[in-house]
Order: sequence, then C-alpha cells, then structure tokens
Amino acid sequence: AAGVIQSPRHLIKEKRETATLKCYPIPRHDTVYWYQQGPGQDPQFLISFYEKMQSDKGSIPDRFSAQQFSDYHSELNMSSLELGDSALYFCASSLAAGVGNTIYFGEGSWLTVV
Amino acid sequence: KQEVTQIPAALSVPEGENLVLNCSFTDSAIYNLQWFRQDPGKGLTSLLLIQSSQREQTSGRLNASLDKSSGRSTLYIAASQPGDSATYLCAVRSGGSNYKLTFGKGTLLTVNP
Repeated sequence: AAGVIQSPRHLIKEKRETATLKCYPIPRHDTVYWYQQGPGQDPQFLISFYEKMQSDKGSIPDRFSAQQFSDYHSELNMSSLELGDSALYFCASSLAAGVGNTIYFGEGSWLTVV
Repeated sequence: KQEVTQIPAALSVPEGENLVLNCSFTDSAIYNLQWFRQDPGKGLTSLLLIQSSQREQTSGRLNASLDKSSGRSTLYIAASQPGDSATYLCAVRSGGSNYKLTFGKGTLLTVNP
C-alpha cells in the first residue's frame, strides 16, 4: 500500500540558509500534518492543512511557512536556518479531518544545520 | 494543556515475555489515542487507534486498552520477540483540535534473544 512520501530524506544546510521539505500524502488523503522531532525528543506538532487550507498551527517558528497544493502535496519552507532547527521532520496524512481517522506518518526528513 | 506521560522510559525483557507499556494523559477530553512504533532514525508506524468511546483494540499480538475517565492507556504485547525492540509512543488527539497529536516521550523496549 502507498505510504506518505517525504523528500529529501537527508538534507545538510548551513546557518542562515533556506530549506524546503516536500510531502506527498497517501492517495485520497486530504489532510496533511507536519511534526518536528529533535534528538531524543517526542514529535512536536508544527502545522496542519485540510483541503489546502491551514487547519491548525502549533509551535511553528515565524521563519517557517508551509502550504498544501492543489494535488494535496505539501511543502515546508524553512528560512534563516539555525543550529537548533536540526531535527527529523515528519509529514503525516489522514483521510478527512474526522477524529476517527488514523494518522499515517512518513519516514521523515533529516535536516542538519551546520 | 494536554500532557502525555509514558512509563517506563525504558524496558528490557527476555524473548517470549508478555509485557505492558503505560501511557497517561492529563486531559480526559480526548477524541482518540494512537500507539506508534519508532525504530531508530525511522518514521512512526501506527500500531493501534482507539476511539474515545472504545475500551480496547487488538491487532495480532498487540492489545491496547483505554480508560478515558482515569486518563490511562496500556499497550499489551504478548510473547515478545527481538523484532519488537523499538520505541513505542502513545499520542492523543484532544484539546478542541482535530489535527494536533500530543505525544508522550516514549518507552524504549529491548527484547533480548
């Protein structure tokens, strides 16, 4: 079965650079979520989209922005990168916004800021 | 603010043992609770989803229970195998948001051959 696809899987950037992560949800899933997991930490919710509109916002820095496109894929844009942004970034998707629906996670994108 | 706690933080058992992982949450007004497995450096694999109206869910050797009123969930793993070694995370959907999952810090399980 198709899963959530994230790219790139690994990314190395220097401080103050910009990075873009891409997420392709499971087919027919219309809700996308972004999470950040620091080393040894639990995943922290950043932002979510339902039907291409932002649906909820968590602890996402102002330097970060995201959007969901007409084909439901999503991109997380991170600017003015800081060392503390080094983390594993997860995208997840679910079918509709129903609370009964399982959220499926991708393999994550490793971002290292040097 | 919802807080999720998992006990123990780490657990080491011999192969074949049955074991229980615990998860507690401070706000009982949850929509559902989901258990995940995470291998080192890997993504989160969904194991079980329990709706707030349900008491338990089973999948193979896994059984998850939910006591919403007391803010607790357990994940029972029967006949553990070395391949079960991973970090197990529980996450709740609550707080008026259909979208946000609040995670615990996980239990690192090691099953020794």
